[in-house]
Amino acid sequence: DQQVKQNSPSLSVQEGRISILNCDYTNSMFDYFLWYKKYPAEGPTFLISISSIKDKNEDGRFTVFLNKSAKHLSLHIVPSQPGDSAVYFCAASPFGNEKLTFGTGTRLTIIP
Amino acid sequence: DAGVTQSPTHLIKTRGQQVTLRCSPISGHKSVSWYQQVLGQGPQFIFQYYEKEERGRGNFPDRFSARQFPNYSSELNVNALLLGDSALYLCASTSWEIGTYNEQFFGPGTRLTVL
Repeated sequence: DQQVKQNSPSLSVQEGRISILNCDYTNSMFDYFLWYKKYPAEGPTFLISISSIKDKNEDGRFTVFLNKSAKHLSLHIVPSQPGDSAVYFCAASPFGNEKLTFGTGTRLTIIP
Repeated sequence: DAGVTQSPTHLIKTRGQQVTLRCSPISGHKSVSWYQQVLGQGPQFIFQYYEKEERGRGNFPDRFSARQFPNYSSELNVNALLLGDSALYLCASTSWEIGTYNEQFFGPGTRLTVL
C-alpha cells in the first residue's frame, strides 16, 4: 500500500520557468511533510518542509503548498535553474515520529 | 562539521552470505535511522535507534537487525542475503530535540549488490 504517491516519474522544464512537483498521501496520521532532493551517488538532501497547521511555506525559490482536505502537496521552484536537475522525493511522517514514508520520486530535468 | 558517514561505499556479496554496514552520525546527533532504497523506488524505513534503544522498526524480515553503540554510531546487519536485498542502504541521523520536528540528515549510502 503506497501511502505517499508521486505520480509523475519525470518532468522536464525550461530554465527560468516554474517547476511544479506533486505528491499525494493517504494516511491521515501524517502531519509533517518534507521534500528531499537527491543527486546520483549522494544521499537525499533536505529541501523544505511543512507542518499540517500551515498551507504554505516558502524558502527562497522553493515553496511548498499543502491541501489537507485533498491530501495533496506540491513543490514549486521558481525560477528553475540547471542545478535543480535531480530526483525529488516527497516524504511524510506523524509529528514527533521521524519515521519517514517516501514517495517513489520525480526526476526533474531543467533544460537550458 | 562532518556529515553522516557510511562505510563501505560499495559491497558485493553472494546469496546466503551475511553483511554488516556501518554509519557514523553527525556529531551531537543521538538518533540514527536506516532506510533501504531499491532502484526506482523511494527509501523505505528499516530501523530507528535512539540512545542505543530501538525506537521503531519497519516491515522487514528478522534477517535484518541493527544496533547502536555508546558513541551513537550504528551497524545494520543482514543475514542470509537474497537477490532482492540488492539496494542502496541509507543512514540518517537526527538530533532528537523534544517539542520540535527533528529533520533527518542522510549519508551517501552503501550500495549493496547481491549476486
